[in-house]
Amino acid sequence: SQQGEEDPQALSIQEGENATMNCSYKTSINNLQWYRQNSGRGLVHLILIRSNEREKHSGRLRVTLDTSKKSSSLLITASRAADTASYFCATDGTGTASKLTFGTGTRLQVTL
Amino acid sequence: DTAVSQTPKYLVTQMGNDKSIKCEQNLGHDTMYWYKQDSKKFLKIMFSYNNKELIINETVPNRFSPKSPDKAHLNLHINSLELGDSAVYFCASSPSGAYNEQFFGPGTRLTVL
Repeated sequence: SQQGEEDPQALSIQEGENATMNCSYKTSINNLQWYRQNSGRGLVHLILIRSNEREKHSGRLRVTLDTSKKSSSLLITASRAADTASYFCATDGTGTASKLTFGTGTRLQVTL
Repeated sequence: DTAVSQTPKYLVTQMGNDKSIKCEQNLGHDTMYWYKQDSKKFLKIMFSYNNKELIINETVPNRFSPKSPDKAHLNLHINSLELGDSAVYFCASSPSGAYNEQFFGPGTRLTVL
């Protein structure tokens, strides 16, 4: 069954606002990754957070991980129109290194 | 230079036909993957190869047969295509081991009529 569930399924905000997306998963993980997919394109890796980390930053991105709740969040600050894309979390389960299980994705629309 | 490339980008074919999709990566990675993304954008792994050896084979019909002639290439051959095979197929690669990001190709949109 599917590992990750993302919330919300779709999010529409204005440029300059912050966007928060959440991901929940079911089993123990080695790490959790976030990817972006622009329409008609392949996925692009954004950030990886290990199971022993709680928070990680990369530019305008902030990712948190709560292994006790089996959840993660991705915050994009000061969003831009170019951030419009689908965002997926992916988990690398324990004992299954290099196999990623993707969530359902959040479609983010940033308007001017 | 494109890191992970796939050909063709679009593939339209009739039910019952056999088709192949090719993937090449120039990143020097040991591991390559095939994913299927359906119309609801759900992305599911199909196969994974490490140094030309099959290491992940999810529940995929045996009409799908991956082939890795060397660690830079992973091709996907599909026999007797069915309507339900219509999807976008993504190739990806990564270095071996845990904690590794995957690099995705641009995808091949397969439409079976």
